[in-house]
Amino acid sequence: SQKIEQNSEALNIQEGKTATLTCNYTNYSPAYLQWYRQDPGRGPVFLLLIRENEKEKRKERLKVTFDTTLKQSLFHITASQPADSATYLCALSGGYNKLIFGAGTRLAVHP
Amino acid sequence: DAGVTQSPTHLIKTRGQQVTLRCSPISGHKSVSWYQQVLGQGPQFIFQYYEKEERGRGNFPDRFSARQFPNYSSELNVNALLLGDSALYLCASSLQGSGANVLTFGAGSRLTVL
Repeated sequence: SQKIEQNSEALNIQEGKTATLTCNYTNYSPAYLQWYRQDPGRGPVFLLLIRENEKEKRKERLKVTFDTTLKQSLFHITASQPADSATYLCALSGGYNKLIFGAGTRLAVHP
Repeated sequence: DAGVTQSPTHLIKTRGQQVTLRCSPISGHKSVSWYQQVLGQGPQFIFQYYEKEERGRGNFPDRFSARQFPNYSSELNVNALLLGDSALYLCASSLQGSGANVLTFGAGSRLTVL
């Protein structure tokens, strides 16, 4: 069955450093992959979308890579700030508007 | 411009009861999807509706049902509630019903079943 794995443990980093989050998937070939941010008690907020024929996508301090051979996506936040602290969700396309989400990785950026 | 609005924000029910959750999409969005998020997990797909027709259904029992109205708002109904139905129910809207669409989520309805 389809499986998406994200770092289950929280990622703690120092302000100003680069945070790197991993999303691995098996038994699946998604047409695109999305990353969302979720704050406690709130709905997920869209960050970036990358298609299967794209290797890398950037938006301000954010960068996403998509390796369909390794079945892996990496999500980078450069020059991280305490305001970046949140849970980050990886989501793969499942047909129509269906998204298959990972469990998320909690990021804590310390001053 | 209002985002996706959901109601109620919180509710408490007892086992066996029924619940109706409501969602208003962003103006101009014709697709509404419903997701269930249990604490500590990612959202799980329940339904997608586009132009009032069901386009997809996740692995949920028949106790879960939904519909979309002519104004594109939507309701999610859950019958015969179980303790395991306690979760955050998220509604998301998008412009189209397929393709690489970005979903805009509401803040969710937190359901507690006692």
